[in-house]
Amino acid sequence: AQSVTQLDSQVPVFEEAPVELRCNYSSSVSVYLFWYVQYPNQGLQLLLKYLSGSTLVKGINGFEAEFNKSQTSFHLRKPSVHISDTAEYFCAVSDGDNFNKFYFGSGTKLNVKP
Amino acid sequence: DADVTQTPRNRITKTGKRIMLECSQTKGHDRMYWYRQDPGLGLRLIYYSFDVKDINKGEISDGYSVSRQAQAKFSLSLESAIPNQTALYFCATSDIGQGGSEQFFGPGTRLTVL
Repeated sequence: AQSVTQLDSQVPVFEEAPVELRCNYSSSVSVYLFWYVQYPNQGLQLLLKYLSGSTLVKGINGFEAEFNKSQTSFHLRKPSVHISDTAEYFCAVSDGDNFNKFYFGSGTKLNVKP
Repeated sequence: DADVTQTPRNRITKTGKRIMLECSQTKGHDRMYWYRQDPGLGLRLIYYSFDVKDINKGEISDGYSVSRQAQAKFSLSLESAIPNQTALYFCATSDIGQGGSEQFFGPGTRLTVL
């Protein structure tokens, strides 16, 4: 089974500053990678996903992530955050072969300050 | 977007009571999942189902049972609720046979067991 590590449980940042949320996974076999966002009192919404091809993936709301196979990482970045980006962000991995089971990280709470 | 709905949205109950959480989807997906979310632990898989006749245990199925009444409906039951089952519960769906298919989440049910 996969394991997913999000080392930063909370990331405070000022508005308009850049941010990087880190995600590492355990296995380097073929995987599919996802970032989800959870706004307060809501379900999870897909930000972006990596299936194959270009290692730089662009998602909604100006977010992007880079797949690094050698480092088994899939870090999420945004060059300039807004107050509205305050939310919890989850990295997820699916090995695809195992009936599309997802393995989630523990989440990173992004707190954007004015 | 009400493609995946969960009822109730909030529930407070007492130890020992039987509780059922319901999930319905209009996405036409065959695969459905139940997760629980606890602070600092991310989402953990309780049960998943690939069609009406196929139900599988996830990593934390003890104390829970499920029923797949139809392609569109997947219910989670707590036969005798206990306080450590207090959590946020999510239902999710995904398309069949597609490696890397994203999962679509409902809005969640917040369950409190006193």
